[in-house]
Amino acid sequence: AQSVTQLGSHVSVSEGALVLLRCNYSSSVPPYLFWYVQYPNQGLQLLLKYTSAATLVKGINGFEAEFKKSETSFHLTKPSAHMRDAAEYFCAVRTYGGATNKLIFGTGTLLAVQP
Amino acid sequence: KAGVTQTPRYLIKTRGQQVTLSCSPISGHRSVSWYQQTPGQGLQFLFEYFSETQRNKGNFPGRFSGRQFSNSRSEMNVSTLELGDSALYLCASSLGWGQGATDTQYFGPGTRLTVL
Repeated sequence: AQSVTQLGSHVSVSEGALVLLRCNYSSSVPPYLFWYVQYPNQGLQLLLKYTSAATLVKGINGFEAEFKKSETSFHLTKPSAHMRDAAEYFCAVRTYGGATNKLIFGTGTLLAVQP
Repeated sequence: KAGVTQTPRYLIKTRGQQVTLSCSPISGHRSVSWYQQTPGQGLQFLFEYFSETQRNKGNFPGRFSGRQFSNSRSEMNVSTLELGDSALYLCASSLGWGQGATDTQYFGPGTRLTVL
């Protein structure tokens, strides 16, 4: 069964500092991996996705993530945090080749950005 | 292109009542999935539809049901509401479904259901 684990339910950084949100996956087959962001009282917005092409994936708003098979990780990074990045971030996995679009989500990481 | 729309955005019901939530996918998208989001359980998969057929269902009681219409719009229904059904219900649409599909799911803003 597939799963994702997000380390750190709360992360706080200063404005301008590096953002690093951790995600580890468990999958017996090549996974499709996603990062979504949720702002207060809103739905989920796709940041980026990995679908077995390039291992370094660039997304919107300056975010990127690197797929590392040896570490079963897909950490999300941004070189310089902005106040508007304060939100909750979810890592998700979907099985390649499975007859389903179902996403399995991590528990989320709430990012706070201090001025 | 318009995004996924969900109606209503907010809903207050009392225990024992039933509720119907609506989702209109992105134009041209034929697959709709539903998720429940609560502080305690996080994001959990309810069910998914493609071509008016339920393709998969999550681990929820039979009080939770849904359907998809020929125009790909979807509704979900919760009967005999319980306090624990209070949640944000999210709908997501994607182009296709099935083996090898690589479609991304795009989410709507959700319906916030409060059960009193």
